Amino acid sequence: DTVLTQSPALAVSPGERVTISCRASESVSTLMHWYQQKPGQQPTLLIYLASNLESGVPARFSGSGSGTDFTLTIDPVEADDTATYYCQQSWNDPFTFGSGTKLEIK
Amino acid sequence: EVKLQQSGDELVRPGASVKISCKASGYTFTNYAMYWVKQSPGQGLEWIGTIIPLIDTTSYNQKFKGKATLTADKSSNTAYMELSRLTSEDSAVYYCARDNPGLYFDYWGQGVMVTVSS
Repeated sequence: DTVLTQSPALAVSPGERVTISCRASESVSTLMHWYQQKPGQQPTLLIYLASNLESGVPARFSGSGSGTDFTLTIDPVEADDTATYYCQQSWNDPFTFGSGTKLEIK
Repeated sequence: EVKLQQSGDELVRPGASVKISCKASGYTFTNYAMYWVKQSPGQGLEWIGTIIPLIDTTSYNQKFKGKATLTADKSSNTAYMELSRLTSEDSAVYYCARDNPGLYFDYWGQGVMVTVSS
């Protein structure tokens, strides 16, 4: 299975820029997607196909990358962005998710 | 408005089965595949399988073959997942999520917590 590696946690202050990385154990082309999950809620789609912003998602969120290295950027960070962020690939079978990056806003 | 409404939380005995539902509204049910995802503290998010309601075709993560069975009722716009021979390892939150052609999950149900305990 394709393993997606994310750093476990980050802490930033409001107004700062934060990058969350996701590294794949093999190429996933651009079939990488990002989700936000707040405590007690279901995940919601932020970015699809590596760099496309889902409708209704603030333009503070952006995605980049291809192959094995991907990044989710939030600029500027707001207090409401406190959540866990997951990457997910759909290039290889089975689809897999990263273990999530927990973002804390100081 | 697209909505996926899942059934309520379940407490089940080891060895038993449970069937979870996911009622879709706000879109044409047969135009989109439906995914099922498991979220457990130890394993994070895992894709279980996918059903294409239009043609009743399913595909499964090898890990969940024999554990999960996906079905869909086009007349009620509802997808189902049955989990069999439950053990403590099956205790988790289970989500349905709509496929956007592009193989990502654009809408999610609210989740069903399944607790396996005697």
